[in-house]
Amino acid sequence: DTGVSQDPRHKITKRGQNVTFRCDPISEHNRLYWYRQTLGQGPEFLTYFQNEAQLEKSRLLSDRFSAERPKGSFSTLEIQRTEQGDSAMYLCASSLGSAEQYFGPGTRLTVT
Amino acid sequence: GEDVEQSLFLSVREGDSSVINCTYTDSSSTYLYWYKQEPGAGLQLLTYIFSNMDMKQDQRLTVLLNKKDKHLSLRIADTQTGDSAIYFCASRSDTGFQKLVFGTGTRLLVSP
Repeated sequence: DTGVSQDPRHKITKRGQNVTFRCDPISEHNRLYWYRQTLGQGPEFLTYFQNEAQLEKSRLLSDRFSAERPKGSFSTLEIQRTEQGDSAMYLCASSLGSAEQYFGPGTRLTVT
Repeated sequence: GEDVEQSLFLSVREGDSSVINCTYTDSSSTYLYWYKQEPGAGLQLLTYIFSNMDMKQDQRLTVLLNKKDKHLSLRIADTQTGDSAIYFCASRSDTGFQKLVFGTGTRLLVSP
């Protein structure tokens, strides 16, 4: 069990550029979640997959954000036309069924 | 709506017990979690409790739940300097959605 992994760990991008993050869940975990954490705050839910189906999306997930989990394994989160307000830590978590969620180390995004 | 509140800061001496408190508003919360976050890292699941329990003990950790008052606490016995971190309380409802709702976190500082 290698845990949830995320790549890259850090990303610096210029405003207006597109970025994509990847999350590899714990193997055989069928549920995958994306959260966003800004400085001094707790994580906020963005979206959730059960296998390859995206079942819930937060209102925080604007049209510039898209997430996929094409084969029910790894997931990608893309942000188009990044804005400075997108600067945050993006956290991925996975779970088996409705059990506890295990988090990855996060991807820290800085938009300049 | 759903809300989770925590005090911002707690300072204790090494060897003392620490008690971190949390209140939540969603009466349909079924699971309540405690996570630990060290600087620049993801979230580590410490423990969780079902809403039909009022206490759970796991080594140095004791979780108490008062469902009537919607109050959750985490007691860390024999606190060590390595316990210094931010502790997040989170709730999860079983009313169809899988997201965790987090508090803003309590920063625990343990001094020698």
